Amino acid sequence: DTGVSQDPRHKITKRGQNVTFRCDPISEHNRLYWYRQTLGQGPEFLTYFQNEAQLEKSRLLSNRFSAERPKGSFSTLEIQRTEQGDSAMYLCASSLGASGLQQNEQFFGPGTRLTVL
Amino acid sequence: DAKTTQPPSMDCAEGRAANLPCNHSTISGNEYVYWYRQIHSQGPQYIIHGLKNNETNEMASLIITEDRKSSTLILPHATLRDTAVYYCIVFLDSGGGADGLTFGKGTHLIIQP
Repeated sequence: DTGVSQDPRHKITKRGQNVTFRCDPISEHNRLYWYRQTLGQGPEFLTYFQNEAQLEKSRLLSNRFSAERPKGSFSTLEIQRTEQGDSAMYLCASSLGASGLQQNEQFFGPGTRLTVL
Repeated sequence: DAKTTQPPSMDCAEGRAANLPCNHSTISGNEYVYWYRQIHSQGPQYIIHGLKNNETNEMASLIITEDRKSSTLILPHATLRDTAVYYCIVFLDSGGGADGLTFGKGTHLIIQP
């Protein structure tokens, strides 16, 4: 399967613990996005990479959230000192995207469901 | 905030055409209309997008009004597997920065057997 993959699919943690999620995009895609989705809502955009550069991070929910994409391939999203309000589905997407071209079809992974107890 | 308005839910009989409306009265001239859907417990899936002209692909057709203030997604022969939340999104690819999609709550389409 050459789609977007995310690991783990489910994570249960205790409040105050740190968690890290991984996303592997489609191999030739240079753009990578992170979203959060809470129950009954549409996905909420968090941050975005073009290759290894993080071009938008102001939407990250707090300074407890950070994302990296070393070498422009896979990405990690870390949440420090988790809170119960962080419980949600965390989705990753990738796209081919090139400046000036409307090729921003985003391919989403299956998501990581986080439960903070 | 989402720049689109969609009905929260719709029903459609299996085998019939499902017509999902979307209002985007504040769309600007260079913004595209995108449709995604999300089947329960899965990530969103791209369906179709358009700028001014009507578009058709193997999944659906997109009809955009001449003033571009509204559009309709048409699933020509709905099946039970089309039951999902359908999101209408207005989007401009600026080539850098803040290029995430803005999802609203979408329309929950239920296909009835």
